[in-house]
Amino acid sequence: AQKITQTQPGMFVQEKEAVTLDCTYDTSDPSYGLFWYKQPSSGEMIFLIYQGSYDQQNATEGRYSLNFQKARKSANLVISASQLGDSAMYFCAMRELSSQGGSEKLVFGKGTKLTVNP
Amino acid sequence: DAGITQSPRHKVTETGTPVTLRCHQTENHRYMYWYRQDPGHGLRLIHYSYGVKDTDKGEVSDGYSVSRSKTEDFLLTLESATSSQTSVYFCAISSSPGWLEQYFGPGTRLTVT
Repeated sequence: AQKITQTQPGMFVQEKEAVTLDCTYDTSDPSYGLFWYKQPSSGEMIFLIYQGSYDQQNATEGRYSLNFQKARKSANLVISASQLGDSAMYFCAMRELSSQGGSEKLVFGKGTKLTVNP
Repeated sequence: DAGITQSPRHKVTETGTPVTLRCHQTENHRYMYWYRQDPGHGLRLIHYSYGVKDTDKGEVSDGYSVSRSKTEDFLLTLESATSSQTSVYFCAISSSPGWLEQYFGPGTRLTVT
């Protein structure tokens, strides 16, 4: 069963507007973490924002904020005041605790391609 | 930026040949990971290491092996490459305990003809 679902293969937004990228997750572990990564066309993976399951407040990092709704198991990324440089693939990921060595690994969604139009 | 390098960055090889990809870090992080990225699949974990000589399988480990003889290097080997292993391979590292994010290398584009 898919643990991270990103239902929007592609999204378009006008420059300077806000956009929300959806992410839902599935876990029975009470302790988990949710991440968003950005992958521009150059290919590198860039960490954007993190939300822990016990965090009381939604995470924010500059123009990025995470709309965390625990009961609905959603962790949507909100980008405010979109810029042309925001055009990229965006991946939602969830931290899972491995049974081996206490390692924690990430499970990724399939991504959303965001295009910012001038 | 975290000190992670991958080599080679690009490789074209023929079906049936062995291939080794190298991930090198200068951060002294304990955990290292190999992912593959394919269109429509996002990133999928191949193998990971939680210490020198300590490794475990991820969700797509068939056809791959790994080795970690020292902290800074994590090798991914395709014993006999197949066309289905054409992909972009990413290495990642993280520290422990209480890490917040994984740092990713620049990726290796592998084409198996």
